[in-house]
Order: sequence, then C-alpha cells, then structure tokens
Amino acid sequence: DIKMTQSPSSLSASIGDKVTITCQASQDISYYLNWYQHKLGTAPKLLIYDASRLETGVPSRFSGSGSGTDFTLTISSLQPEDIATYYCQQYDNLPDTFGQGTRLDIK
Amino acid sequence: HVLLQESGPRLVKAAETLSLTCGVSGGFSTNKWWSWVRQPPGKGLEWIGEVYHSGGTNYLPSLESRVTISVDKSNNQFSLKLSSVTAADTAVYYCARARASSGLFGILDVWGKGTTVTVSS
Repeated sequence: DIKMTQSPSSLSASIGDKVTITCQASQDISYYLNWYQHKLGTAPKLLIYDASRLETGVPSRFSGSGSGTDFTLTISSLQPEDIATYYCQQYDNLPDTFGQGTRLDIK
Repeated sequence: HVLLQESGPRLVKAAETLSLTCGVSGGFSTNKWWSWVRQPPGKGLEWIGEVYHSGGTNYLPSLESRVTISVDKSNNQFSLKLSSVTAADTAVYYCARARASSGLFGILDVWGKGTTVTVSS
C-alpha cells in the first residue's frame, strides 16, 4: 500500500494567515491526489482533486500544488470557518490511502 | 444533486456481522464507483472498498477476508457487510461516490453524513 504522510499533524494559525499543509507519498502517484476538509460531526468535503484542481463551489483561497511524491495544500487567508482536519488521499494505486490528517485551529 | 444516506444498526455484538446500507437519491450513475470509508475514534480516515454498478468490487487487503460490498440498482442503494467484528471495527462509517479523472476512479465527491457503529462485547 502507498503510505501518505502529512505534516504537520496539528497547526495553530491566526485569522488572515497563510496556511500550508504538506503531504508526501511513499512512491510516485503522478497527480492522483485529493484534499478533503473534515469538520467534527459532518461528512468530509472534497476541496482539491488531481493535486491542483479546485472543486466546484470551494472558495478560491484554497489551492493545491505538486506532483510525483510531494504535494501542498495552501489556504491563502485563513477564515474562522476553515477550522477543521484536512486529509490528503491518493488514488493512483489501490487501495486508496489517506494521510493521517492535519488538525487546524485558531491561535 | 446526489445525496447519500447511511442506515443500519448502531450496535453490533463482537463476532457478528456489521451490515450497513447507503441509499442514493438524485442519480445512481452507472459510470461511478460507490465506496465505503470509516473513521475509528480518534483516528483518521480509512478506505474500506468500493463497488461498480456492474457488481465489480475492490477491497482493502487487510479486510478482504471479512468484507462484502454489493450494489442493488433496483433500489438505488449499495451495502457493506463486515463479518466477525471486533472492538477495532468500532467507527463512523461513511458511504461516498467516486468519480473518475483520466480513467482512474477515486475522487470522492459526494459523501453521506456518516453513521456511528459500536461493537460491543
């Protein structure tokens, strides 16, 4: 199975800050990488697919980059509603695998 | 607008079979895979497996001996069965739809709200 490693595991930031979360795959997954936002008690929400494509309806302050083994999710200006846990997921090889998650809260 | 809703027992006894159903409203597409994902308490998301409209399946290898995912097109739903459960199977279970990109399916774009299943001893 492909191992996905996210960093940091948790992060505190202030409103308006630029936030960056990284995800590293244990082998080349091309661009088959998605990012999800998960708030407590709700369903995960797709933010970014294919490493850099913004899902319809997702605010433009979210962006993704990377290919191969190294990927980044960026929030350009943190908003209160962005408090959540973020997961990356690869689907290049079965089984699909997720990173361990990055918990984001307000400083 | 596609909506997914999980249903099934919230409490299952150890060694028995966990059974969940995901109802699909708004379009049970034939060109999608239909997936199950779980989240144990305090842990991250874990992909369990998926089923295609034709009945083809893929499973997480570590669960493959215990899991069955099936599709019921006439009732617009798909199901998860996990046998011989233990406390380690206690989790929030989500159903989700997977769409494709460049021929590979795995973009989980629609999710159910999730249902908590507890395995009791």
